[in-house]
Amino acid sequence: QSALTQPASVSGSPGQSITISCTGTSSDVGVYNYVSWYQKHPGEAPKLVIHDVTTRPSGVSNRFSGSKSGNTASLTISGLQAEDEADYYCSSFTSSSLYVFGTGTKVTVL
Amino acid sequence: EVQLLESGGGLVQPGGSLRLSCVGSGYTFDTSAMSWVRQAPGKGLEWVSAISGSGYSSYFGDSVKGRFTTSRDNSKNTLYLQMNSLRAEDTAIYFCAKEDSRIVGNNRMDYWGQGTLVTVSS
Repeated sequence: QSALTQPASVSGSPGQSITISCTGTSSDVGVYNYVSWYQKHPGEAPKLVIHDVTTRPSGVSNRFSGSKSGNTASLTISGLQAEDEADYYCSSFTSSSLYVFGTGTKVTVL
Repeated sequence: EVQLLESGGGLVQPGGSLRLSCVGSGYTFDTSAMSWVRQAPGKGLEWVSAISGSGYSSYFGDSVKGRFTTSRDNSKNTLYLQMNSLRAEDTAIYFCAKEDSRIVGNNRMDYWGQGTLVTVSS
């Protein structure tokens, strides 16, 4: 099972919106809505920010939103803040081995 | 407050074995499936294994299948990862994560531990 494909890095200025893509296949992202996104700061545990493609867990800022089209899921962060600077990983249920993570995207706030 | 605490990491020689533990607190342990996820130095997250709340069903990633096993003792609120035939490429921080369902498959890892470092080297 190959990792889902994400851009290595995305950057934006405070207040701007950025979007991170996550491309899979017809065995994972394309057919299942069990797509999640995790935020990870260095040295910390990952934090769930989106599940089931579009759902925000309780306590997660409404600046985070998710979507999906075909084999590609996306995470949008609006009103970018300094605290959003982190690594972001998508994850999907897959018919081959259960779960697969994306390659990860480093978000930089300029 | 939900807490997960991993232990058991350390330095092990190639071909050796190690058992990791993860103790959960602040919730009813057997109502949640659990996963192990690892992160090699400078690399991304990799899902390793998952086990249902009852412990009857378990699943493994291709890179560890046949070498790692997972189990849980719900009476002790503890999850285990038995790692055998360890290789240099197994070197990573290993995180345990709680899922918000008793069954495996919804991919909602809502709480994570801080991780334990496993180093495979001679």
